[in-house]
Amino acid sequence: NAGVTQTPKFRVLKTGQSMTLLCAQDMNHEYMYWYRQDPGMGLRLIHYSVGEGTTAKGEVPDGYNVSRLKKQNFLLGLESAAPSQTSVYFCASSLATGYGYTFGSGTRLTVV
Amino acid sequence: AQSVTQPDIHITVSEGASLELRCNYSYGATPYLFWYVQSPGQGLQLLLKYFSGDTLVQGIKGFEAEFKRSQSSFNLRKPSVHWSDAAEYFCAVLYNFNKFYFGSGTKLNVKP
Repeated sequence: NAGVTQTPKFRVLKTGQSMTLLCAQDMNHEYMYWYRQDPGMGLRLIHYSVGEGTTAKGEVPDGYNVSRLKKQNFLLGLESAAPSQTSVYFCASSLATGYGYTFGSGTRLTVV
Repeated sequence: AQSVTQPDIHITVSEGASLELRCNYSYGATPYLFWYVQSPGQGLQLLLKYFSGDTLVQGIKGFEAEFKRSQSSFNLRKPSVHWSDAAEYFCAVLYNFNKFYFGSGTKLNVKP
């Protein structure tokens, strides 16, 4: 039982490049989330999904897009990467409201 | 606006000493409250959570937290710290049933 798996774990992009981060969970959770973690700022919610085929904006959605075509996968896309998007990205999932999250181990992204 | 405040960025305690990490939140209703721990290079692990009922909640690894409505606080405590407790600790509040807001974290160092 893998829990929440994020790929890749590390990536370096040049400004303007695009990429997709993949989050996969095998717990049949309905809710999935993408966060970014920056020093001194804690975790900030980028986008989230309350079920297959649904997505919604979080606190800092600009510059990112997401898709939830399958219940177990939640993709985070950067269409044109900027240095301000250098961060550690965490995916999380939860069974339902208030159950707490299961987190992935993170993706460290550097945009140069 | 909702917010979660962890006023201590860094805390250093001696091994065997007691620990208290502070967390304050602002929210109109009684929120769902959580504490997470993050070891270097890892994702977040749930320590404990409070939904309702007894205001003193027990978690894993010997941690406990007390919800004080009058102070809008949810402080994390441990009576005797172990070297393995050195990590970063995040307080989080669940708003609107599906959005977590995290504090900026408190880094705990443990002196031998």
